[in-house]
Amino acid sequence: GNSVTQMEGPVTLSEEAFLTINCTYTATGYPSLFWYVQYPGEGLQLLLKATKADDKGSNKGFEATYRKETTSFHLEKGSVQVSDSAVYFCALRGIQGAQKLVFGQGTRLTINP
Amino acid sequence: DSGVTQTPKHLITATGQRVTLRCSPRSGDLSVYWYQQSLDQGLQFLIQYYNGEERAKGNILERFSAQQFPDLHSELNLSSLELGDSALYFCASSVALSRGGDEQFFGPGTRLTVL
Repeated sequence: GNSVTQMEGPVTLSEEAFLTINCTYTATGYPSLFWYVQYPGEGLQLLLKATKADDKGSNKGFEATYRKETTSFHLEKGSVQVSDSAVYFCALRGIQGAQKLVFGQGTRLTINP
Repeated sequence: DSGVTQTPKHLITATGQRVTLRCSPRSGDLSVYWYQQSLDQGLQFLIQYYNGEERAKGNILERFSAQQFPDLHSELNLSSLELGDSALYFCASSVALSRGGDEQFFGPGTRLTVL
C-alpha cells in the first residue's frame, strides 16, 4: 500500500539557517503530495502541495518539488524564523480508491533565536 | 481558523467507558474524515463520510463507530475504551470527494485521555 517516510526528528536550528526535511513515498502511479504544518495546540494546516511530477509547491518561503524519479518531496526553506517552530507532516493521496491522506510520522522543528 | 469545529477540546475518562466526539465541517463541505494521532501510530485515517454515507474505512477498531447526520455534522463514538485509545482525534472536511490536490481542512482536534 501507499506509505510516506519522513526524516527523523527532532530538528533544531538557529534562526536564518537553511532547512531541509526529507520525505520519500511509496505509491502506485502519480499520487498528489502535501506538506502540512501543526503549530502547538492547533490542527493541521496545509502548507503546500504538488499534484504531478516536477511540480513545485511553495508557500511562506517554503518549497518542495515533486520528484518522481527519486519518489521524494523534500521540504526546504532558505532562512527559517522562530515562528516556523512546529511539527511538519509529509502526506500523499493516492490516485485510486479512498480520498484519505497517508501521513509520514512528522518532524518536530525548533528554531532558536 | 479552518472553519472546522470539534468538541470537546479535551476529554478525560476511564477504561471501559464510552465517549462521543463531535465535528462540524466547514460550511458547504460534504465530506468528513476522521484521523487519529497517537505517539506510537502517528497520524492514521479512521473513516470517511460523504453526504451522510460511509465512503471509506481505514484502521478503525470495531469498538469505534461514526456517523454523519443530515445537517452534515459527524460524530465519532468510541466504546469500551482502553488506555491505548488515548490520542488526539482530528476531523477534516472537504467540499466533495477529495481528488488530486483538493485540500482537506482540519479541525483543532479532541484530545482524549483514558485513565
